[in-house]
Amino acid sequence: DAEITQSPRHKITETGRQVTLACHQTWNHNNMFWYRQDLGHGLRLIHYSYGVQDTNKGEVSDGYSVSRSNTEDLPLTLESAASSQTSVYFCASSDGGDTQYFGPGTRLTVL
Amino acid sequence: QKEVEQNSGPLSVPEGAIASLNCTYSDRGSQSFFWYRQYSGKSPELIMFIYSNGDKEDGRFTAQLNKASQYVSLLIRDSQPSDSATYLCAVGGSQGGKLIFGQGTELSVKP
Repeated sequence: DAEITQSPRHKITETGRQVTLACHQTWNHNNMFWYRQDLGHGLRLIHYSYGVQDTNKGEVSDGYSVSRSNTEDLPLTLESAASSQTSVYFCASSDGGDTQYFGPGTRLTVL
Repeated sequence: QKEVEQNSGPLSVPEGAIASLNCTYSDRGSQSFFWYRQYSGKSPELIMFIYSNGDKEDGRFTAQLNKASQYVSLLIRDSQPSDSATYLCAVGGSQGGKLIFGQGTELSVKP
């Protein structure tokens, strides 16, 4: 069955380290999204992509970057992790319409 | 003013009752409306979407949309303890495939 996966599911890192969170989908969806979810803030969009080589900033993109070299993957990189980036990160994809399907999430702790 | 607003709850209803979850949005250009269910520690799961004014029913769930009032709701009939979760309202259609999420309403169904 087609699906969307994220890895790792849990990550503990130290302030200042570079961290990459993986997102892989097998639906062949063009659109992919990264969100973070924090208490009191709901889901906030970090970056998104409408296809290979396309990336766009969302509302909370500072300190994060993405790259899209193929349809299936949109890795999220924290260039220099900060404690404020401790959060749960969700990847989602859609086929061009508005309906988005979410991965299982990555819980990131920055110490 | 938040773009998508929901009462955070918690909303508590007895088993078998109707649960009513509400959402308002600010962008009159919005065209698509979604309800996601999120169990604690899990990712958002799509349960309903609606594009046209009126009601849309799927099993025990009914989504209601009133574009003139910029209001969308979700009714859950015969509520079960397994319906206890956070329900996220999401709005799209004027953001190029992006969704704007409300902060979610926590629903608790008491046996």
